[in-house]
Amino acid sequence: EVQLLESGGGLVQPGGSLRLSCAASGFTFINYAMTWVRQAPGKGLEWVATVRGGGDTIYADSVKGRFTISRDNSKNMVYVQMNSLRAEDTAIYYCVRDDGRHAEVFEIWGQGTRVTVSS
Amino acid sequence: QSALTQPPSASGSPGQSVTISCTGTSSDVGGYYSVSWYQQHPGKAPKLIIYQVTKRPSGVPDRFSGSKSGNTASLTVSGLQAEDEADYYCCSYAGSNTYVLFGGGTKVTVL
Repeated sequence: EVQLLESGGGLVQPGGSLRLSCAASGFTFINYAMTWVRQAPGKGLEWVATVRGGGDTIYADSVKGRFTISRDNSKNMVYVQMNSLRAEDTAIYYCVRDDGRHAEVFEIWGQGTRVTVSS
Repeated sequence: QSALTQPPSASGSPGQSVTISCTGTSSDVGGYYSVSWYQQHPGKAPKLIIYQVTKRPSGVPDRFSGSKSGNTASLTVSGLQAEDEADYYCCSYAGSNTYVLFGGGTKVTVL
């Protein structure tokens, strides 16, 4: 069964850092681009960052320079290191897998991990 | 770039059809054949229901269909059922710099 399991969310003060992890299983990990998508409370979906199987990355302007997405293909893991956190980064963060052919098609979603940035 | 534009709400009675629009620009919706739609029930993760404008993933009922004309994509849900009550989001590829844009979401209510 294809599965994505996020962890690492929690409460952090403004200006702080947090690292989210996503454990993938049930598929050949290196063949897929992995993405983080977030959803602020009561709001819509927002693409955050994508890392392709070979490690190429791309970021939304709202997080560029503050967030770093990475992957470990030997462990079937994807991460996002979040620095200089702001109140507006408060959201549920979803780990997402593409459909295997198009990195922008978000086929499989994890259940999400909640990040709250507040003093 | 701004998010894609969706109506905040739509509704229909059981058995009827409802169509949701998703308006972008020639730099996203109009420029690529890569619009996806996601269904999200309260408290749940989104689910892919349409990709590449018209394609349905395995297991998605054929009551869900997608189309595109110019800078506007549309999702039609035919034969509305109670379980179709959810939020729906469109998403479009927007080039190598912006990458992807989501719509603001449409809440579908089954009357």
